[in-house]
Amino acid sequence: DADVTQTPRNRITKTGKRIMLECSQTKGHDRMYWYRQDPGLGLRLIYYSFDVKDINKGEISDGYSVSRQAQAKFSLSLESAIPNQTALYFCATSGGEKLFFGSGTQLSVL
Amino acid sequence: QKEVEQDPGPLSVPEGAIVSLNCTYSNSAFQYFMWYRQYSRKGPELLMYTYSSGNKEDGRFTAQVDKSSKYISLFIRDSQPSDSATYLCAISKTSYDKVIFGPGTSLSVIP
Repeated sequence: DADVTQTPRNRITKTGKRIMLECSQTKGHDRMYWYRQDPGLGLRLIYYSFDVKDINKGEISDGYSVSRQAQAKFSLSLESAIPNQTALYFCATSGGEKLFFGSGTQLSVL
Repeated sequence: QKEVEQDPGPLSVPEGAIVSLNCTYSNSAFQYFMWYRQYSRKGPELLMYTYSSGNKEDGRFTAQVDKSSKYISLFIRDSQPSDSATYLCAISKTSYDKVIFGPGTSLSVIP
């Protein structure tokens, strides 16, 4: 089984809809992250959490919210999806300097 | 100015070539330098990790950091088709700080 699991793998939705992307990890790490990846822009940090009670905004948090339900679970929500949120989303965890990534969620907002 | 910049490529080389991938960064406070490799529709995986200046070698891969120039490099010797991927440089101020990624360079190694 994968150490970092993201669901769903793919999602197509319409403008204005609420979307939740889920992430769970079996690494036992305290730190979890949400990134989005766009062609030519690389990975940009949306939110990160260093423990269950700690949530921090990254460089592009507008339009997104997160919930850290447990050490192992970190979900990302788009309250009202818009087309420029179409991207590949990655969850990651770390216990030190190394990041472990999930396989990503391809989100398309029409 | 972006905190880390990287030539996006794409870069195409014949099998067996030496590949040089490079990034520049803007803030001398960064101390930790990483290279991640990402295959198509997969999450990135850590390839090399370096603290401060100097070289680090792992098999066919060599990571090089020049802090005076704010320049980091990854060299791949005897490149193989299996090296075809996107390579992302990444930087961090401490081992526990958030990691900032470059845009990635797409590499194709042609048999």
